[in-house]
Amino acid sequence: EAEVAQSPRYKITEKSQAVAFWCDPISGHATLYWYRQILGQGPELLVQFQDESVVDDSQLPKDRFSAERLKGVDSTLKIQPAELGDSAMYLCASSSATTSEETQYFGPGTRLLVL
Amino acid sequence: GDSVTQMEGPVTLSEEAFLTINCTYTATGYPSLFWYVQYPGEGLQLLLKATKADDKGSNKGFEATYRKETTSFHLEKGSVQVSDSAVYFCALTPGGGADGLTFGKGTHLIIQP
Repeated sequence: EAEVAQSPRYKITEKSQAVAFWCDPISGHATLYWYRQILGQGPELLVQFQDESVVDDSQLPKDRFSAERLKGVDSTLKIQPAELGDSAMYLCASSSATTSEETQYFGPGTRLLVL
Repeated sequence: GDSVTQMEGPVTLSEEAFLTINCTYTATGYPSLFWYVQYPGEGLQLLLKATKADDKGSNKGFEATYRKETTSFHLEKGSVQVSDSAVYFCALTPGGGADGLTFGKGTHLIIQP
Protein backbone atom coordinates (compact mmCIF):
# COMPACT_ATOMS: atom_id res chain seq x y z
CA GLU A 1 0.00 0.00 0.00
CA ALA A 2 1.37 3.41 -1.01
CA GLU A 3 2.29 5.73 1.86
CA VAL A 4 3.35 9.29 2.45
CA ALA A 5 7.02 9.37 3.40
CA GLN A 6 8.58 11.95 5.71
CA SER A 7 12.08 12.50 6.97
CA PRO A 8 13.63 12.86 9.40
CA ARG A 9 11.32 11.26 11.94
CA TYR A 10 12.92 13.18 14.79
CA LYS A 11 14.95 16.38 14.88
CA ILE A 12 16.56 18.16 17.80
CA THR A 13 17.97 21.61 17.16
CA GLU A 14 18.94 24.72 19.04
CA LYS A 15 17.01 27.94 18.72
CA SER A 16 18.17 30.24 15.94
CA GLN A 17 19.31 27.27 13.84
CA ALA A 18 17.78 26.30 10.51
CA VAL A 19 15.83 23.05 10.06
CA ALA A 20 14.25 21.39 7.06
CA PHE A 21 11.70 18.63 6.70
CA TRP A 22 11.03 16.53 3.61
CA CYS A 23 7.84 14.92 2.36
CA ASP A 24 7.23 12.52 -0.52
CA PRO A 25 3.49 12.17 -1.20
CA ILE A 26 1.70 9.17 -2.61
CA SER A 27 2.51 8.84 -6.30
CA GLY A 28 0.07 10.73 -8.47
CA HIS A 29 -1.35 12.87 -5.66
CA ALA A 30 -1.53 16.45 -6.89
CA THR A 31 -2.45 18.05 -3.56
CA LEU A 32 0.01 18.23 -0.69
CA TYR A 33 -0.50 19.69 2.77
CA TRP A 34 1.79 20.56 5.66
CA TYR A 35 0.27 20.63 9.15
CA ARG A 36 1.73 21.46 12.56
CA GLN A 37 0.52 19.59 15.64
CA ILE A 38 1.44 20.98 19.04
CA LEU A 39 1.34 18.42 21.84
CA GLY A 40 -2.22 17.96 23.08
CA GLN A 41 -3.76 19.83 20.17
CA GLY A 42 -5.18 18.94 16.79
CA PRO A 43 -3.15 19.52 13.62
CA GLU A 44 -3.29 23.00 12.07
CA LEU A 45 -2.80 23.63 8.36
CA LEU A 46 0.34 25.55 7.49
CA VAL A 47 0.41 25.37 3.69
CA GLN A 48 -1.35 23.62 0.83
CA PHE A 49 0.01 22.94 -2.65
CA GLN A 50 -1.79 22.02 -5.83
CA ASP A 51 0.95 20.57 -8.02
CA GLU A 52 3.80 23.09 -7.63
CA SER A 53 1.60 26.06 -6.76
CA VAL A 54 0.73 27.32 -3.29
CA VAL A 55 -3.04 27.31 -2.82
CA ASP A 56 -3.20 28.41 0.82
CA ASP A 57 -0.39 29.65 3.04
CA SER A 58 -2.47 32.03 5.15
CA GLN A 59 -1.39 30.31 8.41
CA LEU A 60 2.28 29.97 7.52
CA PRO A 61 4.53 32.31 9.59
CA LYS A 62 6.31 33.63 6.55
CA ASP A 63 8.95 35.54 8.47
CA ARG A 64 10.61 32.25 9.40
CA PHE A 65 8.84 29.43 7.55
CA SER A 66 9.08 28.59 3.87
CA ALA A 67 7.78 25.71 1.80
CA GLU A 68 8.39 24.59 -1.73
CA ARG A 69 7.32 21.87 -4.11
CA LEU A 70 9.45 22.65 -7.11
CA LYS A 71 8.52 19.82 -9.47
CA GLY A 72 5.08 19.22 -8.08
CA VAL A 73 6.11 15.98 -6.40
CA ASP A 74 8.07 16.04 -3.14
CA SER A 75 8.14 19.03 -0.83
CA THR A 76 10.39 20.71 1.71
CA LEU A 77 9.34 22.78 4.72
CA LYS A 78 12.02 25.00 6.24
CA ILE A 79 12.25 26.98 9.45
CA GLN A 80 14.92 29.66 9.83
CA PRO A 81 15.57 30.60 12.55
CA ALA A 82 13.89 28.04 14.78
CA GLU A 83 12.28 29.25 18.00
CA LEU A 84 11.37 27.37 21.17
CA GLY A 85 7.67 27.61 20.28
CA ASP A 86 8.26 25.69 17.05
CA SER A 87 8.61 22.44 18.98
CA ALA A 88 5.82 20.28 17.56
CA MET A 89 5.01 17.42 15.21
CA TYR A 90 5.07 18.42 11.54
CA LEU A 91 2.73 16.33 9.43
CA CYS A 92 2.56 16.00 5.68
CA ALA A 93 -0.55 14.77 3.89
CA SER A 94 -1.50 14.22 0.29
CA SER A 95 -4.63 13.62 -1.69
CA SER A 96 -5.69 13.18 -5.29
CA ALA A 97 -8.45 15.63 -4.50
CA THR A 98 -10.24 17.96 -6.71
CA THR A 99 -12.96 18.16 -4.06
CA SER A 100 -12.77 18.23 -0.29
CA GLU A 101 -14.48 14.83 -0.20
CA GLU A 102 -11.30 13.07 -1.15
CA THR A 103 -9.31 11.43 1.62
CA GLN A 104 -6.12 13.05 2.86
CA TYR A 105 -3.42 10.48 3.63
CA PHE A 106 -0.98 11.42 6.36
CA GLY A 107 2.66 10.58 6.80
CA PRO A 108 4.21 9.53 10.13
CA GLY A 109 5.37 13.07 10.89
CA THR A 110 8.59 14.73 11.96
CA ARG A 111 8.85 15.51 15.66
CA LEU A 112 10.86 18.69 16.22
CA LEU A 113 12.37 19.71 19.53
CA VAL A 114 13.94 23.16 19.76
CA LEU A 115 16.28 23.68 22.72
CA GLY B 1 -13.56 31.10 11.02
CA ASP B 2 -14.40 27.43 11.00
CA SER B 3 -13.90 25.46 14.20
CA VAL B 4 -14.44 22.02 15.70
CA THR B 5 -15.12 21.28 19.36
CA GLN B 6 -14.88 17.78 20.78
CA MET B 7 -15.15 16.37 24.26
CA GLU B 8 -12.11 16.52 26.46
CA GLY B 9 -10.30 13.34 27.33
CA PRO B 10 -9.06 11.01 28.41
CA VAL B 11 -12.13 8.83 28.15
CA THR B 12 -11.70 5.53 29.94
CA LEU B 13 -14.09 2.64 29.29
CA SER B 14 -14.22 -1.06 29.92
CA GLU B 15 -14.11 -3.50 27.03
CA GLU B 16 -17.52 -4.05 25.38
CA ALA B 17 -18.87 -0.72 26.68
CA PHE B 18 -20.80 1.69 24.45
CA LEU B 19 -18.80 4.64 23.18
CA THR B 20 -19.85 8.16 22.31
CA ILE B 21 -17.39 10.95 21.55
CA ASN B 22 -19.14 14.26 21.01
CA CYS B 23 -18.18 16.62 18.21
CA THR B 24 -19.78 19.92 17.20
CA TYR B 25 -18.67 22.32 14.54
CA THR B 26 -18.98 25.91 13.37
CA ALA B 27 -18.72 26.52 9.65
CA THR B 28 -20.28 28.53 6.88
CA GLY B 29 -21.78 26.74 3.94
CA TYR B 30 -21.83 22.96 3.72
CA PRO B 31 -18.71 21.40 5.20
CA SER B 32 -17.59 17.81 4.83
CA LEU B 33 -17.03 16.07 8.18
CA PHE B 34 -14.43 13.49 9.16
CA TRP B 35 -13.21 11.37 12.03
CA TYR B 36 -9.49 10.55 12.04
CA VAL B 37 -7.79 8.15 14.44
CA GLN B 38 -4.20 8.05 15.64
CA TYR B 39 -3.11 4.72 17.14
CA PRO B 40 -0.06 4.72 19.43
CA GLY B 41 3.10 5.19 17.39
CA GLU B 42 1.23 5.54 14.10
CA GLY B 43 0.13 8.35 11.79
CA LEU B 44 -3.33 9.80 11.37
CA GLN B 45 -5.77 7.57 9.53
CA LEU B 46 -9.20 8.37 8.18
CA LEU B 47 -11.82 6.44 10.17
CA LEU B 48 -15.01 7.67 8.47
CA LYS B 49 -16.51 10.65 6.73
CA ALA B 50 -19.81 12.26 5.69
CA THR B 51 -20.21 14.91 3.04
CA LYS B 52 -23.80 16.10 3.39
CA ALA B 53 -26.54 16.44 5.96
CA ASP B 54 -28.05 13.19 7.28
CA ASP B 55 -25.25 11.10 5.76
CA LYS B 56 -23.93 8.37 8.04
CA GLY B 57 -20.29 7.41 7.86
CA SER B 58 -19.27 4.00 9.16
CA ASN B 59 -16.14 1.88 9.44
CA LYS B 60 -14.80 -0.83 11.78
CA GLY B 61 -18.01 -0.75 13.83
CA PHE B 62 -17.83 3.03 14.33
CA GLU B 63 -20.61 5.31 13.08
CA ALA B 64 -21.27 9.04 12.92
CA THR B 65 -24.22 10.92 11.45
CA TYR B 66 -23.96 14.42 9.95
CA ARG B 67 -26.58 16.48 11.83
CA LYS B 68 -26.87 19.92 10.30
CA GLU B 69 -29.66 21.04 12.64
CA THR B 70 -27.43 20.50 15.69
CA THR B 71 -24.12 21.05 13.85
CA SER B 72 -22.85 17.77 15.26
CA PHE B 73 -21.01 14.64 14.14
CA HIS B 74 -20.82 12.42 17.21
CA LEU B 75 -18.78 9.21 17.00
CA GLU B 76 -20.36 6.02 18.34
CA LYS B 77 -19.49 2.36 18.70
CA GLY B 78 -21.65 -0.27 20.29
CA SER B 79 -18.94 -2.43 21.85
CA VAL B 80 -15.39 -1.18 22.16
CA GLN B 81 -12.26 -3.33 22.23
CA VAL B 82 -8.86 -2.79 23.79
CA SER B 83 -7.51 -2.31 20.26
CA ASP B 84 -9.70 0.81 19.89
CA SER B 85 -7.48 2.66 22.35
CA ALA B 86 -6.22 5.68 20.41
CA VAL B 87 -6.66 9.42 19.96
CA TYR B 88 -9.70 10.39 17.89
CA PHE B 89 -9.92 13.68 15.98
CA CYS B 90 -13.04 15.24 14.55
CA ALA B 91 -12.35 17.46 11.52
CA LEU B 92 -14.00 19.37 8.71
CA THR B 93 -13.28 20.90 5.34
CA PRO B 94 -15.34 23.85 4.14
CA GLY B 95 -16.46 22.05 1.02
CA GLY B 96 -16.27 23.05 -2.62
CA GLY B 97 -12.60 22.35 -3.10
CA ALA B 98 -9.63 20.34 -1.90
CA ASP B 99 -9.27 22.39 1.26
CA GLY B 100 -7.17 21.76 4.31
CA LEU B 101 -8.73 20.11 7.33
CA THR B 102 -9.74 21.99 10.48
CA PHE B 103 -9.30 19.64 13.45
CA GLY B 104 -10.62 19.47 16.98
CA LYS B 105 -8.17 19.00 19.83
CA GLY B 106 -8.57 15.24 19.92
CA THR B 107 -10.01 12.80 22.46
CA HIS B 108 -7.77 10.17 24.01
CA LEU B 109 -9.72 6.91 24.41
CA ILE B 110 -8.46 4.25 26.79
CA ILE B 111 -10.15 0.84 26.81
CA GLN B 112 -9.44 -1.39 29.78
CA PRO B 113 -9.78 -5.19 29.56
